[in-house]
Amino acid sequence: GAVVSQHPSWVICKSGTSVKIECRSLDFQATTMFWYRQFPKQSLMLMATSNEGSKATYEQGVEKDKFLINHASLTLSTLTVTSAHPEDSSFYICSARGGGGTPTEQYFGPGTRLTVT
Amino acid sequence: AQKITQTQPGMFVQEKEAVTLDCTYDTSDQSYGLFWYKQPSSGEMIFLIYQGSYDEQNATEGRYSLNFQKARKSANLVISASQLGDSAMYFCAMRTRLYNFNKFYFGSGTKLNVKP
Repeated sequence: GAVVSQHPSWVICKSGTSVKIECRSLDFQATTMFWYRQFPKQSLMLMATSNEGSKATYEQGVEKDKFLINHASLTLSTLTVTSAHPEDSSFYICSARGGGGTPTEQYFGPGTRLTVT
Repeated sequence: AQKITQTQPGMFVQEKEAVTLDCTYDTSDQSYGLFWYKQPSSGEMIFLIYQGSYDEQNATEGRYSLNFQKARKSANLVISASQLGDSAMYFCAMRTRLYNFNKFYFGSGTKLNVKP
């Protein structure tokens, strides 16, 4: 199956700093990428959907100025958590979808664990 | 509104036995897909099985089968011959034609523990 990578796999940052998480599709062109957030022992919550070359669409309640998403190419999307606070500590997962029409063609990355101290 | 419900926060099963994880869904869309994912402690989401709303036969993938009852809006996952490596969180998810099949709706998950 297709591979989606995330970098870094875990990161610790100080409160008030910004951190960038990369999501790459390694062997296909991802026309659409998604960012999810998962708190411990909870389900995945979609944060935003991004299409290459256009602005991301954020879900209700997600601060777009805090969670900056850039989908500059067909293989790379980035999520930047600006002015991070301890409550932003979470597991962030991206997924990517190519241009194909098969229902299962959406692949998840391995996730990035963010801890804000 | 689209909704996925998993009513079992945790399940135990003896190794080599079968286990059923429950999932019910709600959607007004006639065209949708139902998915099951496994999430081990490492955090990665592992795709297990898919059932389309128009598929007449229940999906099967190795030891995984999906008991699809459309009228009852349920899509239970059956794992046969459980193995210790099956211990993980399991999420039921749905995508509908709304939002062009892009948006996943996830259930709250079921934590499965396989006992030796």
